[in-house]
Amino acid sequence: DADVTQTPRNRITKTGKRIMLECSQTKGHDRMYWYRQDPGLGLQLIYYSFDVKDINKGEISDGYSVSRQAQAKFSLSLESAIPNQTALYFCATSDTGQGADEQFFGPGTRLTVL
Amino acid sequence: ILNVEQSPQSLHVQEGDSTNFTCSFPSSNFYALHWYRWETAKSPEALFVMTLNGDEKKKGRISATLNTKEGYSYLYIKGSQPEDSATYLCASGKGAQKLVFGQGTRLTINP
Repeated sequence: DADVTQTPRNRITKTGKRIMLECSQTKGHDRMYWYRQDPGLGLQLIYYSFDVKDINKGEISDGYSVSRQAQAKFSLSLESAIPNQTALYFCATSDTGQGADEQFFGPGTRLTVL
Repeated sequence: ILNVEQSPQSLHVQEGDSTNFTCSFPSSNFYALHWYRWETAKSPEALFVMTLNGDEKKKGRISATLNTKEGYSYLYIKGSQPEDSATYLCASGKGAQKLVFGQGTRLTINP
């Protein structure tokens, strides 16, 4: 079984709809992240969390919110989806270490907002 | 804002040839440099995490070097194989685990 899973894998929705993307991990890592990837661009950090009570904004948090329900779960919500939020979304985790630990990525969620 | 640049954006290499590409990052307040390999329809996977100036890491035919004083890292692939076709991402961060990614180098190996 995959260590980092994301649901759904693909989603098509309409402008104005509320969407939730879910991420679960079995790696036992404290740190979790949400990124989006647009063609020709690198991964951009949306939100990150270092433990259950910790939520931090990344580079592009406007229009998004997150919830860290448990160590293993980190959800990303689009309160009112708009077409320029069409992108590939990745969840990632890393261990609590000296800060240079590699990140482990989920399989991605491809979101299309019409 | 931390700016991480990768060049070239895309690269076509003949099978068996060796190749390399570059990641540039601000050298001030350097913390760590990550390289990830991202195959189409899969998740990015870590290749290397480097923290020390002059560090050199190797995994099979792939190796990477790091120069933190001038702010660059090179990724080398020796004797390219079709399975090396992927997008290679580098990322650097000022703080613990808050990485900034470059736009990637898309490598295609021609048989």
